Amino acid sequence: AQSVTQLGSHVSVSEGALVLLRCNYSSSVPPYLFWYVQYPNQGLQLLLKYTTGATLVKGINGFEAEFKKSETSFHLTKPSAHMSDAAEYFCAAGSSGSARQLTFGSGTQLTVLP
Amino acid sequence: DGGITQSPKYLFRKEGQNVTLSCEQNLNHDAMYWYRQDPGQGLRLIYYSQIVNDFQKGDIAEGYSVSREKKESFPLTVTSAQKNPTAFYLCASSQEHSPLHFGNGTRLTVT
Repeated sequence: AQSVTQLGSHVSVSEGALVLLRCNYSSSVPPYLFWYVQYPNQGLQLLLKYTTGATLVKGINGFEAEFKKSETSFHLTKPSAHMSDAAEYFCAAGSSGSARQLTFGSGTQLTVLP
Repeated sequence: DGGITQSPKYLFRKEGQNVTLSCEQNLNHDAMYWYRQDPGQGLRLIYYSQIVNDFQKGDIAEGYSVSREKKESFPLTVTSAQKNPTAFYLCASSQEHSPLHFGNGTRLTVT
């Protein structure tokens, strides 16, 4: 079974600074990897996904993530934080394309300081 | 617009009462899911259904029940057997090998 670790339950950055949210997974098979964003009292919205192919994945709102197999990592980045990026971010991993087998990390709350 | 509708957004119940959370989708997705979210934790799968009239237990099914009589609907009942029912409940749907599409959740408070 997959396990997903998000380092840092809370991350604070200044507006305009680099955003880096960390995600590591454990898997013996090539993973399917996702980042979701959740605004207060709302559902999760897909930011980006990695299945196969290019290891640098671009998503919505200027976010991107890089799949590094040797490090079993899928960190989320954005070059310049905006106040509207303040939300909770979840990394998820699965060993197949089936949502049934998806494991979520515990989430990282991003605060953007003016 | 296609999407998933969860109702109500907030729900309050007394301990010992069963309560049913609604989830409706018009995305024509075959699969539907119920997750529970607690502060500081990721999402945990309660039940899922891949086709009408069939559903499977997820990782934390105890104290919950579901039905899937229609493709569009997947209601979740939180029974009095659920020891810690206060949580944020998320419904999702997907087609095979596509990412999950989520509703906006129902926050259940049991006192």
